[in-house]
Amino acid sequence: QVQLVESGGGVVQPGGSLRLSCAASGFTFSTSGMHWVRQAPGKGLEWVQFIWLNENTVYYAESVKGRFTISRDNSKNTVYLQMNSLRPEDTAVYFCAKDLTTYGAFDYWGRGTLVTVSP
Amino acid sequence: EIVLTQSPGTLSLSPGERATLSCRASQSVTSRYLAWYQQKPGQSPRLLIYGASSRATGIPDRFSGSGSGTDFTLTISRLEPEDFAVYYCQQYGGSSYTFGQGTKLEIK
Repeated sequence: QVQLVESGGGVVQPGGSLRLSCAASGFTFSTSGMHWVRQAPGKGLEWVQFIWLNENTVYYAESVKGRFTISRDNSKNTVYLQMNSLRPEDTAVYFCAKDLTTYGAFDYWGRGTLVTVSP
Repeated sequence: EIVLTQSPGTLSLSPGERATLSCRASQSVTSRYLAWYQQKPGQSPRLLIYGASSRATGIPDRFSGSGSGTDFTLTISRLEPEDFAVYYCQQYGGSSYTFGQGTKLEIK
C-alpha cells in the first residue's frame, strides 16, 4: 500500500532554515509528481509546492517563492522541502502528498510533520 | 489565482440526513481539476472526489460530486456518524493549486 512518511520538522528561530523529507513507498515514485501542503494550527489547507518527475518542472505558491525549494531523489524514493528565511507565519503541519496524475488532485497524504517558527 | 469560497462555514445535521456542501470559484474551473477532501481532527486529509464527480478508491457511494464552471457541490446522501468532519474543495489551474476555506459538518 502507498505510504508517505514525513520527517525533519521541529522548532526553529525566525530567519532560520529547515529541511523536510518525505519517504515514499508502495507506488512507482519515479513516475509520480509530488506536493507539499501545509496547515497552520486551527486553519485550512494551503498548497506549497509541486515537483514533477525532476527539478525541470516545479510550481511554487507565491507565499514561499524564493525561500522554499522542492527537490527529489528518485533513487531514494524521497522528496524534500528546503525551507530558508523562515517566518512565524510558516508555522504549520507540513504534509507530503502524491499527485493524482492528469487530475490536479492529491490522492495520498502523509501524516505530516510540525514546523514551529518561534524566537 | 482562483479563489474558492465554500458555504456554509458550518453545517449542523443529524445522522441519516442529507448534506449539501457548496464550493464557488472566483473564475471558471475545468471540471477535471476540481476535487473534494475530508479531514478529521488529528488526521491528514483524504481524497473523496476528483474530476468534480469521480469517487476516489474506497469512497462509499453516499458521497457524490457535481457541478461545472464556477459552482460545484459535494452531496452526502445519508449521513453516517463517521462523516462528521471538515470538507475542503480544491482546484488546479495555471500552475497553481488552491483550497477552499472548508466546511465543518457537525452533529446536530
